[in-house]
Amino acid sequence: GESVGLHLPTLSVQEGDNSIINCAYSNSASDYFIWYKQESGKGPQFIIDIRSNMDKRQGQRVTVLLNKTVKHLSLQIAATQPGDSAVYFCAENRGYGQNFVFGPGTRLSVLP
Amino acid sequence: ETGVTQTPRHLVMGMTNKKSLKCEQHLGHNAMYWYKQSAKKPLELMFVYNFKEQTENNSVPSRFSPECPNSSHLFLHLHTLQPEDSALYLCASSPSGQGAVEQYFGPGTRLTVT
Repeated sequence: GESVGLHLPTLSVQEGDNSIINCAYSNSASDYFIWYKQESGKGPQFIIDIRSNMDKRQGQRVTVLLNKTVKHLSLQIAATQPGDSAVYFCAENRGYGQNFVFGPGTRLSVLP
Repeated sequence: ETGVTQTPRHLVMGMTNKKSLKCEQHLGHNAMYWYKQSAKKPLELMFVYNFKEQTENNSVPSRFSPECPNSSHLFLHLHTLQPEDSALYLCASSPSGQGAVEQYFGPGTRLTVT
């Protein structure tokens, strides 16, 4: 029979608009977070990271916000471009070693 | 390119076959990882190696056998796999000994078990 795949949330935005992708994490002990971008046929690519002693970090066209009170992470992409179309994953490190836990991902589609 | 290469990019194997996946990193890192990415689950960590020593085995079945001969190379030996093992297998590397840091991923090997 046909296998059931993981249902990815999808966000569709117009080219030039800002995108906000959200991620909820489960462990209050997590102290390091990464956003990855995965394009079709490629491995995940690092976008930006943030440690728990910060609540905001900015990169080139991207901003990550961390709300530890509600265990929520968001990725904001300014002036979204067609090349931003991909699946975006958040990953949390639970304070020990290199063991990251990845979220299910959000598919971003940029409309012309 | 991320500096992490994987071969083969695609592999089809029967349940009785034995095959190996290869990963090589050109970044001077000392930590290497195997992940499984399937259609049904989020990205799952399988194994972690630091300075050629295995430091994490995330309850992976013994039909998956990793090997790390040096800090630049990582193998995943496969034998008597099941159809549910069909997935994208991703290798990653990172600097070691600095706590949690970003990992650099290869393009993956798309494995189909028939």
